[in-house]
Amino acid sequence: DAGVIQSPRHEVTEMGQEVTLRCKPISGHNSLFWYRQTMMRGLELLIYFNNNVPIDDSGMPEDRFSAKMPNASFSTLKIQPSEPRDSAVYFCASSSAGGPVDTQYFGPGTRLTVL
Amino acid sequence: AQSVAQPEDQVNVAEGNPLTVKCTYSVSGNPYLFWYVQYPNRGLQFLLKYITGDNLVKGSYGFEAEFNKSQTSFHLKKPSALVSDSALYFCAVRIGDTDKLIFGTGTRLQVFP
Repeated sequence: DAGVIQSPRHEVTEMGQEVTLRCKPISGHNSLFWYRQTMMRGLELLIYFNNNVPIDDSGMPEDRFSAKMPNASFSTLKIQPSEPRDSAVYFCASSSAGGPVDTQYFGPGTRLTVL
Repeated sequence: AQSVAQPEDQVNVAEGNPLTVKCTYSVSGNPYLFWYVQYPNRGLQFLLKYITGDNLVKGSYGFEAEFNKSQTSFHLKKPSALVSDSALYFCAVRIGDTDKLIFGTGTRLQVFP
C-alpha cells in the first residue's frame, strides 16, 4: 500500500506569495493531521480532520494559514501571504478509526523555504 | 496539563551495546504512548505504542519500550545497537479522548562503530 503522499517535497518561494501544500492520506484512513516541524518549536500540530471535517484548528498560527479537506483522499494547507518565519517542514499524517487508539502514519514532508 | 518529556538531547552508544532513550509523561487518565523515529530528510516512522496490558511493548527493528506507571516513564530500548539506528527519536502521548498527540522534543541517537 502507498503511504501518505505529500507534494511538493520542496518549495521555495518569496515572501508575500501564496503557498499550497498537498496531502493524500492512506486509503481508508479517516483522520488527517497537519504538523509543522522547526528547530525552535519542534513538532507542532496545526489542525486535524475527522471524516473530512476540521475538528481542532487551535494550532493554526494565524489567519494566513488555512486548511481544507474536500474529500477523503485529499487535503491542502495554504499559506497566504507567506512570510520567512513560515519556513519549516510541514508533515501530513493519517490514521484510521479501527481501534481504541489509532496510530498516525506520516508522509515524507514538504520543506518550505520562504525568502 | 498533559505533557511528555525527553530529558536527553543526544544519546551516544557504541555499536553492539544496549541503548536506552528516555521518556517521561504526565497525563490525566490512561496514558497512551508512542515512539516514532525520524531519519534525515524523512517523515516520522511509527515504532511502537502502549495502550494497555503488558508493560513491555515490542516494536519494529528490534526496539522495545517499557511502560512504568509508578515512574510515569516509557523508555525505548534495544539490546544491541546498530549504526543504522542513528536517527532522531520522538516520544508522544495522546491527549485525553482526542486523536491529538503531544510530541517530545526528540532525542538524537548516535551509534558509533
